[in-house]
Amino acid sequence: EAGVAQSPRYKIIEKRQSVAFWCNPISGHATLYWYQQILGQGPKLLIQFQNNGVVDDSQLPKDRFSAERLKGVDSTLKIQPAKLEDSAVYLCASSPRWASTDTQYFGPGTRLTVL
Amino acid sequence: QKEVEQNSGPLSVPEGAIASLNCTYSDRVSQSFFWYRQYSGKSPELIMSIYSNGDKEDGRFTAQLNKASQYVSLLIRDSQPSDSATYLCAVMKGGGADGLTFGKGTHLIIQP
Repeated sequence: EAGVAQSPRYKIIEKRQSVAFWCNPISGHATLYWYQQILGQGPKLLIQFQNNGVVDDSQLPKDRFSAERLKGVDSTLKIQPAKLEDSAVYLCASSPRWASTDTQYFGPGTRLTVL
Repeated sequence: QKEVEQNSGPLSVPEGAIASLNCTYSDRVSQSFFWYRQYSGKSPELIMSIYSNGDKEDGRFTAQLNKASQYVSLLIRDSQPSDSATYLCAVMKGGGADGLTFGKGTHLIIQP
């Protein structure tokens, strides 16, 4: 079974530029998550999708971040405009259903550096 | 008070000894608890999950949960150098309505 795929793996941009990340979850997984992990911190949930609907986006900085999950499969996370403090690893995870006992499987992440 | 707290370490343990990692959480409605291992530059990987009070063993790993004390721990027996990593404690409130809330992680070093 293929794991969670993410691209690009690395991205370097200047502040005020825009950037987009792509995630392809494990086939058949209904729930998709985007986390932000700043160096030295644990991952922080940004947004959670159940199929193609948003379940929780309370920690997403909506003035600059946006995300969508088309047709309940792939997802994109966009930052526009980027700030220095957005430098982090952006992790996508998926789980089979929407249950507290489900394992969340993480992709390799996209490391963003904002200069 | 932070939602999930862990000692950031580093925690240094001799090879073959027992490594003990601890985590406390603030939200009493939390129902599901997870330990993830994260190697430097890699993504988190699930080690153990625990949902009810008591101990849960899987190979060299034992997770312990005490909901009354809001405390979760992970024991690693016969520690190996390959166990050197950051261990993240994660909590889910339950019902599937939430993502995971992570602690900062404990950096574990197994000394050969």
